[in-house]
Amino acid sequence: GDSVTQMEGPVTLSEEAFLTINCTYTATGYPSLFWYVQYPGEGLQLLLKATKADDKGSNKGFEATYRKETTSFHLEKGSVQVSDSAVYFCALSERTGANNLFFGTGTRLTVIP
Amino acid sequence: DTGVSQNPRHKITKRGQNVTFRCDPISEHNRLYWYRQTLGQGPEFLTYFQNEAQLEKSRLLSDRFSAERPKGSFSTLEIQRTEQGDSAMYLCASSPLSSSYNEQFFGPGTRLTVL
Repeated sequence: GDSVTQMEGPVTLSEEAFLTINCTYTATGYPSLFWYVQYPGEGLQLLLKATKADDKGSNKGFEATYRKETTSFHLEKGSVQVSDSAVYFCALSERTGANNLFFGTGTRLTVIP
Repeated sequence: DTGVSQNPRHKITKRGQNVTFRCDPISEHNRLYWYRQTLGQGPEFLTYFQNEAQLEKSRLLSDRFSAERPKGSFSTLEIQRTEQGDSAMYLCASSPLSSSYNEQFFGPGTRLTVL
């Protein structure tokens, strides 16, 4: 079945540090890949997406590249800010059936000044 | 605000009681999803509607759970004879049928606590 494995947290970084959160997936088909973010006290928000191999999703300084050969979709940001503190979820969606999302367990990021 | 809304935001109930949650999706979004999220975990899929038709149900959706979307707009999720293990955040999401990659927009969730 489909699944997403995410780097376990929590992750604590100093402001302006480089961020990588690893994500690998298992899928029966050719999924779309997503990163969602959950800020404290708020709902899940789509951060970025990629729909085919070698696509790079990007938003708010975050990037992730769809790597079919390694079944990975690692999230990166060159210089984190305190406001990036949140829980980050990697997810996939197959292109058939319900197209429901399969989520990883989430990685909590705390950025300290 | 034209996002997905959910009510109530919090619900505390005693074991054995029935509870009902409501989700109002983004207008004209044909697809509607319910997910459950427990502490420290990612959301898990419960069920999917396309317009008013419930097309898919997860094995997580026991016979105590029922969901409806009577007119293809808002949806309700009912849990009968609640158990302590039902305590979780219940999330609703919607997406347009026209989206080729199925970007889902989430509501703020309903946090259920079963005492």
